[in-house]
Amino acid sequence: GAVVSQHPSRVICKSGTSVKIECRSLDFQATTMFWYRQFPKKSLMLMATSNEGSKATYEQGVEKDKFLINHASLTLSTLTVTSAHPEDSSFYICSAPVTGNQETQYFGPGTRLLVL
Amino acid sequence: AQSVSQHNHHVILSEAASLELGCNYSYGGTVNLFWYVQYPGQHLQLLLKYFSGDPLVKGIKGFEAEFIKSKFSFNLRKPSVQWSDTAEYFCAVSRPGNTGKLIFGQGTTLQVKP
Repeated sequence: GAVVSQHPSRVICKSGTSVKIECRSLDFQATTMFWYRQFPKKSLMLMATSNEGSKATYEQGVEKDKFLINHASLTLSTLTVTSAHPEDSSFYICSAPVTGNQETQYFGPGTRLLVL
Repeated sequence: AQSVSQHNHHVILSEAASLELGCNYSYGGTVNLFWYVQYPGQHLQLLLKYFSGDPLVKGIKGFEAEFIKSKFSFNLRKPSVQWSDTAEYFCAVSRPGNTGKLIFGQGTTLQVKP
């Protein structure tokens, strides 16, 4: 099946710094990718839709200036957490549908972010 | 707004026991329904999905789910669980044609004792 990778798998940073998380579709092209956030013992919450060649679409309550998304190519989307604070600590997961089959998602393994 | 509710937060079963995990959604229109599984240390994987047709859907690893429209439910079942089924299970919905955005339930932790 299709594979989605994320890098890094975990990152620890100091408060106030920015962190970039990459999401790659390894064997297929994805014009759209999705970014989710998962809190401990809780569900995944959709943060934003990343669109290749255009601006990302953010869900209500998600700060677009805080979580910068760039869909640089058909296989890469990046999420940058700017000026990170301890409350941004979480598990960030991306997903991508195979182009032409939007209803079937392939998920990345996630990135654990810890902000000290 | 759409929401998905999973009734069981933590389920503990012995091997060979039968499993049923509840999932209800709140949306009056047509929806696509999914069950995902997350094994320890691994990424989310699709167990099964329902778009239309036969409301009884069979997925991988012996799992099945039944869509009951009148009850807004999509419960997951397996007649005999194995220790390897220990994982987190998520029910999710999306609207057809809505770019595949998924609304997830809270998740159910299944622990199967050998």
